[in-house]
Amino acid sequence: GESVGLHLPTLSVQEGDNSIINCAYSNSASDYFIWYKQESGKGPQFIIDIRSNMDKRQGQRVTVLLNKTVKHLSLQIAATQPGDSAVYFCAGPDTKDTNAGKSTFGDGTTLTVKP
Amino acid sequence: DGGITQSPKYLFRKEGQNVTLSCEQNLNHDAMYWYRQDPGQGLRLIYYSQIVNDFQKGDIAEGYSVSREKKESFPLTVTSAQKNPTAFYLCASSIDWTAGAEAFFGQGTRLTVV
Repeated sequence: GESVGLHLPTLSVQEGDNSIINCAYSNSASDYFIWYKQESGKGPQFIIDIRSNMDKRQGQRVTVLLNKTVKHLSLQIAATQPGDSAVYFCAGPDTKDTNAGKSTFGDGTTLTVKP
Repeated sequence: DGGITQSPKYLFRKEGQNVTLSCEQNLNHDAMYWYRQDPGQGLRLIYYSQIVNDFQKGDIAEGYSVSREKKESFPLTVTSAQKNPTAFYLCASSIDWTAGAEAFFGQGTRLTVV
């Protein structure tokens, strides 16, 4: 099965609020996770990544938290803007094939920002 | 500008025909990938190439073929053997094959079988 999966397929927030997008994984040996953003009709774009030796990583308006105890990670977007409306994917190592460069993607959460 | 380019953006194919999707990158990346995306779903790996002149099957390779004769090019052929080819196809590249390497994606090709 999948090594990463998302809790909710859709999330709707008010402009200016914070958004939290969650992702669960199954393999405790997973050593990295990457968050991608996909706008409508376009390819995904890298947002932020985190390695397993970290609990938290911050970027510009985004924070990723990794809880290895419960095998869960989250992407937090501060002061959500209309331009943040997109599908967000978490990606991690493929547990079915430990070949180094193979990642597997969750199904994605569609974030809608209401004005 | 460095980047990864897919063409065409939209493609229509009659049943029983083969069709080739183009993917070119000028990032000097070793690894390249093809993914398929269906509505409301994540990305599924079709084929990948760790380095020029090498490629491997991904999770859903049946009905597809690829080549990697040049470092910058990784074309995907959707053959008539692919039972349900209508989908959004994404090509990506990464600097190398190390775990967790950031993938750079093209803008996608939307294939429709008519």
